[in-house]
Amino acid sequence: SQKIEQNSEALNIQEGKTATLTCNYTNYSPAYLQWYRQDPGRGPVFLLLIRENEKEKRKERLKVTFDTTLKQSLFHITASQPADSATYLCALRDTGRRALTFGSGTRLQVQP
Amino acid sequence: DAGVTQSPTHLIKTRGQQVTLRCSPKSGHDTVSWYQQALGQGPQFIFQYYEEEERQRGNFPDRFSGHQFPNYSSELNVNALLLGDSALYLCASSRAGGSMNTGELFFGEGSRLTVL
Repeated sequence: SQKIEQNSEALNIQEGKTATLTCNYTNYSPAYLQWYRQDPGRGPVFLLLIRENEKEKRKERLKVTFDTTLKQSLFHITASQPADSATYLCALRDTGRRALTFGSGTRLQVQP
Repeated sequence: DAGVTQSPTHLIKTRGQQVTLRCSPKSGHDTVSWYQQALGQGPQFIFQYYEEEERQRGNFPDRFSGHQFPNYSSELNVNALLLGDSALYLCASSRAGGSMNTGELFFGEGSRLTVL
């Protein structure tokens, strides 16, 4: 069966450290993968997209890697701040499909 | 520039009732997708509308139906409500041409449905 797995346990880190979140998928052939941020009671907000032929993408303090052999994406936030505390969702678009499929998200808590 | 707007923001229904949720997409967007998000879960795809037609549907029963209007706004209807339908319903818009390039979805703040 198809699965997108993110660590369900919250990730707690100290301010200034690098947060690394993992997204693993099974039985998908993603055309691309995206990361979203969601604050409590709010809709998700798009952060980054990485295509199947790309290894790494950066945007300010954010970095995403994509390994189609391992079927895994890693999402890094460098120099983390308490304001980065939120739930982070990975989502992918399967080849030949129109819809984005989301993982269940990982909650990040950055301690001051 | 208004983003995606949804209404109502909160509503309470009882089992067996019907509900209609509304969504206005971001200006310039022509594609609307609906998602259901249960507490502690990621958004689950319900269906997507483009040019007033349902283009793709997720694994949801026929009790869930939708519509897209000529101005690109959309409605989600749920009939014969069950307790398990309690969730945050999210509308997301995108541009068909743009979605083929970036796929970025713009989400509204959602409609929180509670079924008692």
